[in-house]
Amino acid sequence: DAGVIQSPRHEVTEMGQEVTLRCKPISGHDYLFWYRQTMMRGLELLIYFNNNVPIDDSGMPEDRFSAKMPNASFSTLKIQPSEPRDSAVYFCASSQNNQDTQYFGPGTRLTVL
Amino acid sequence: GQQLNQSPQSMFIQEGEDVSMNCTSSSIFNTWLWYKQDPGEGPVLLIALYKAGELTSNGRLTAQFGITRKDSFLNISASIPSDVGIYFCAGRETGANNLFFGTGTRLTVIP
Repeated sequence: DAGVIQSPRHEVTEMGQEVTLRCKPISGHDYLFWYRQTMMRGLELLIYFNNNVPIDDSGMPEDRFSAKMPNASFSTLKIQPSEPRDSAVYFCASSQNNQDTQYFGPGTRLTVL
Repeated sequence: GQQLNQSPQSMFIQEGEDVSMNCTSSSIFNTWLWYKQDPGEGPVLLIALYKAGELTSNGRLTAQFGITRKDSFLNISASIPSDVGIYFCAGRETGANNLFFGTGTRLTVIP
């Protein structure tokens, strides 16, 4: 089975530009999670969905961040406008139910100049 | 928010040595997970623990769910060069879906 798929793997953009990160969860998984990883703060949960519905977005740092899950096989994390402090690796993860473990994608390394 | 303290932060060991690392939380968890992250990749699940006192092995790796439900331990026996990476603990409180992650233990194995 294919794992969690993320695109792009690397993104370099200039401050003020819009950035869209994409994720395809493992088929059949009902939960989808977006994380951010930095050296200073480690892995932080940004938002998670259950059956395409956002359940907890308390980790989203600012209104510049938004996430959508239009269907069970696709989710996006958007940053508009991007800032240099948004530079990090963004991971998507999925799990089958609320007692199961999360499987991570390879991540998107974002650099905002 | 929840604080997970993971130690040590880094380890330098000789190939063949055993490794121990641990994680403590400020509240009670019903799930403890251990992940390994290689450079440029996402964390990969190593071991999952669901019951206080549970001891689970995965090859040379052994993890335990502490009886207080506030800590967990990971041991690696007879380390090899491919064990290099960052090891993360993660835990989930009862009734919650989101995981809290430790700060990671960076392991270097010297051949």
